[in-house]
Amino acid sequence: RKEVEQDPGPFNVPEGATVAFNCTYSNSASQSFFWYRQDCRKEPKLLMSVYSSGNEDGRFTAQLNRASQYISLLIRDSKLSDSATYLCVVNVMDSNYQLIWGAGTKLIIKP
Amino acid sequence: NAGVTQTPKFQVLKTGQSMTLQCAQDMNHEYMSWYRQDPGMGLRLIHYSVGAGITDQGEVPNGYNVSRSTTEDFPLRLLSAAPSQTSVYFCASSIRGNGGANVLTFGAGSRLTVL
Repeated sequence: RKEVEQDPGPFNVPEGATVAFNCTYSNSASQSFFWYRQDCRKEPKLLMSVYSSGNEDGRFTAQLNRASQYISLLIRDSKLSDSATYLCVVNVMDSNYQLIWGAGTKLIIKP
Repeated sequence: NAGVTQTPKFQVLKTGQSMTLQCAQDMNHEYMSWYRQDPGMGLRLIHYSVGAGITDQGEVPNGYNVSRSTTEDFPLRLLSAAPSQTSVYFCASSIRGNGGANVLTFGAGSRLTVL
């Protein structure tokens, strides 16, 4: 089982719709969680950190469920520019501070 | 402010050749790292450094060497290229010690093909 699992998609969503996807992680000692966005043939860029109480940044909402070991990302009123691959990242607090990356969920917003 | 600069952007090598991927950051970040990204897989850590003179292995270090003689530079050396090293390579840096919240800044990537 992969340490961090994501549905690869693609999710094909009409513009203006709401879309959500999850990411599950296997290590219960995971401490920090992030969503990164990666455009085609570009580098990953931080979208948002995920806090225990959940957090929102404009149209984006991130939630953490420690009991079930998953994080989620909700995008409201989706825009064409939201088309990208969304990478889930988990930080297990060991001496190496290594981040574990999911393979990503591809999102395509259609006009 | 350039951020993280990687060179070259594209490279084709023959099996057995060696090369160095360059990475430089101008943000005075302590932590620097190299990842490879392959289709269907998450980013995998090759090597990382928590400061000048300090390097350590990540998940997939075999076939690669690094050094960190300055805070700014973190080159990745492929010793004897193999087709399995065909990948996209990303250099990334962060301010370490930020409570473990390792927000990374990435370079634009280097696309390597080994024939």
